[in-house]
Amino acid sequence: DAKTTQPNSMESNEEEPVHLPCNHSTISGTDYIHWYRQLPSQGPEYVIHGLTSNVNNRMASLAIAEDRKSSTLILHRATLRDAAVYYCILKQGGSEKLVFGKGMKLTVNP
Amino acid sequence: GAVVSQHPSRVICKSGTSVKIECRSLDFQATTMFWYRQFPKKSLMLMATSNEGSKATYEQGVEKDKFLINHASLTLSTLTVTSAHPEDSSFYICSALGHTDTQYFGPGTRLTVL
Repeated sequence: DAKTTQPNSMESNEEEPVHLPCNHSTISGTDYIHWYRQLPSQGPEYVIHGLTSNVNNRMASLAIAEDRKSSTLILHRATLRDAAVYYCILKQGGSEKLVFGKGMKLTVNP
Repeated sequence: GAVVSQHPSRVICKSGTSVKIECRSLDFQATTMFWYRQFPKKSLMLMATSNEGSKATYEQGVEKDKFLINHASLTLSTLTVTSAHPEDSSFYICSALGHTDTQYFGPGTRLTVL
């Protein structure tokens, strides 16, 4: 499985935008970029996914670099409820599996 | 939409007993469900892929005779931890594959084996 690299942790302030980076230099043409997040003692929650084009949904935006070797999850206005571990995952096209890495812990300061 | 439930949310059992965990997709049908295990401060590890009406596919290193998976309907998969031991204590999480190829996760089951 292609690997992703994320910072171990980040801090942000409430009501400010947050940009969560992810590097995936070995991504293949059929790999989708998925983001999930996990709050303490809960199961993960789907955030967003994309292939080549930038994506927006009610939770976040996903900006994908032109060469697809990196991507950025954008939370437009962080809230305390956004404090979680965020996982950037490459999912092979045609495969149903998700392989979770260490993820990145986001702290949101009031 | 796309809600997945797990029962029980937490269970404590004695060493040597078996424990069954249920995973239900409440508002959609799921041909495929997944079981994960997560140790404290660690990431999720996929244990097995459960397909409705067929045998589960286990990841390397996961004992199929110890972790019995049954996916008898399109909304229910069960994981039975047989002859549980303290080292099986963990957070067990299931997910169900939705129609948009997205996995929807349950809230998890905390298993403590004494």
